Amino acid sequence: QKEVEQDPGPLSVPEGAIVSLNCTYSNSAFQYFMWYRQYSRKGPELLMYTYSSGNKEDGRFTAQVDKSSKYISLFIRDSQPSDSATYLCAGTTDSWGKLQFGAGTQVVVTP
Amino acid sequence: EAGVVQSPRYKIIEKKQPVAFWCNPISGHNTLYWYRQNLGQGPELLIRYENEEAVDDSQLPKDRFSAERLKGVDSTLKIQPAELGDSAVYLCASKAGGLLNEQFFGPGTRLTVL
Repeated sequence: QKEVEQDPGPLSVPEGAIVSLNCTYSNSAFQYFMWYRQYSRKGPELLMYTYSSGNKEDGRFTAQVDKSSKYISLFIRDSQPSDSATYLCAGTTDSWGKLQFGAGTQVVVTP
Repeated sequence: EAGVVQSPRYKIIEKKQPVAFWCNPISGHNTLYWYRQNLGQGPELLIRYENEEAVDDSQLPKDRFSAERLKGVDSTLKIQPAELGDSAVYLCASKAGGLLNEQFFGPGTRLTVL
């Protein structure tokens, strides 16, 4: 069983809608949580990271971590076609960044 | 600032052949990672370097995979001999020193083993 589980999608939403992405994890030692965005034929790029439980907002993006339920979420407000990509969640136990990734969720935002 | 550079971008080989991938990290980044990303999956760490030292290679299949990072800058990942199951995207990432600095990924090398 993988340490981070993520629904692969695809998730299709109309432009302007809220995109809601979720992951669950099994390793209680995870302290840091990340969301990466990966466009086709590109490497992942970091969107947001959070430490322990709580919320973090950055522009149209909000990341939430609930350590009690081992649940990670990413919300994208006012979605744009340019948000169409695969979104990868990841967790790590240490600050040096040995990341355990989920499988990624493919998001399609239609104009 | 230039990003992480990888070459080649695509490689097609027959099984049992050797193959090598090259990575040039962002200037000044001491930490370098090699990941493998299978189709429809997230990246999985193969090896992590701190400068020229491999500090985590527990996930590297050492019977056929090898890596080196001479002089603590560029790195090469080699597979010999390649197997059909090695078809994947091989990603290189680098990170500056310090706690939880962002890992910057290169575009990857897409390997197809026939």
